[in-house]
Amino acid sequence: DTGVSQNPRHKITKRGQNVTFRCDPISEHNRLYWYRQTLGQGPEFLTYFQNEAQLEKSRLLSDRFSAERPKGSFSTLEIQRTEQGDSAMYLCASSKSGTGNEQFFGPGTRLTVL
Amino acid sequence: AQSVTQLDSHVSVSEGTPVLLRCNYSSSYSPSLFWYVQHPNKGLQLLLKYTSAATLVKGINGFEAEFKKSETSFHLTKPSAHMSDAAEYFCVVSPPLHSGGYQKVTFGTGTKLQVIP
Repeated sequence: DTGVSQNPRHKITKRGQNVTFRCDPISEHNRLYWYRQTLGQGPEFLTYFQNEAQLEKSRLLSDRFSAERPKGSFSTLEIQRTEQGDSAMYLCASSKSGTGNEQFFGPGTRLTVL
Repeated sequence: AQSVTQLDSHVSVSEGTPVLLRCNYSSSYSPSLFWYVQHPNKGLQLLLKYTSAATLVKGINGFEAEFKKSETSFHLTKPSAHMSDAAEYFCVVSPPLHSGGYQKVTFGTGTKLQVIP
């Protein structure tokens, strides 16, 4: 399967702990996106990379959130000092420049903060 | 600026009957529009996309959508619902294909489709 993969699929943590999620995009895709989805809502944009450069960040991405894509391939999203309000599904997507912004999504990482 | 409104949070149909999921958009340009489907515990899957070519767009699994500029709508339809269509559907708007740089997509809040046997 050469789709977008995300790990872990589920993460349960206690409030105040740090968590890190990984996304592996489709190999030839140069664009990578992170979204957050809560119950009853559509995905909300968090941040966007073109190759290794982080070009766009949402105001939703507080100082506790950081994302990296060091070699322009996989990406990590870290949340420090987690809060119960961080509980959500975190989705990663990738796309290729010039393909009409068609994004391919991974299965997501469901975070539960106790 | 762009936004998208999905008019129904839940739609229930009987198996074999038509499906209509409504989507209206707002955009200061001629947008690209998408429909995605999300089955439980699965990733979002692209059903179809409109990128300023034909206004009637055919997608996977028998779904289609019609872009109506005068009504700012992009409703999703299927002639006959199947049990496997039960899922959540998202309408998405983004700047047009020829826009440079990052093209922010905006998701609707989703419509849950229930198919009754």
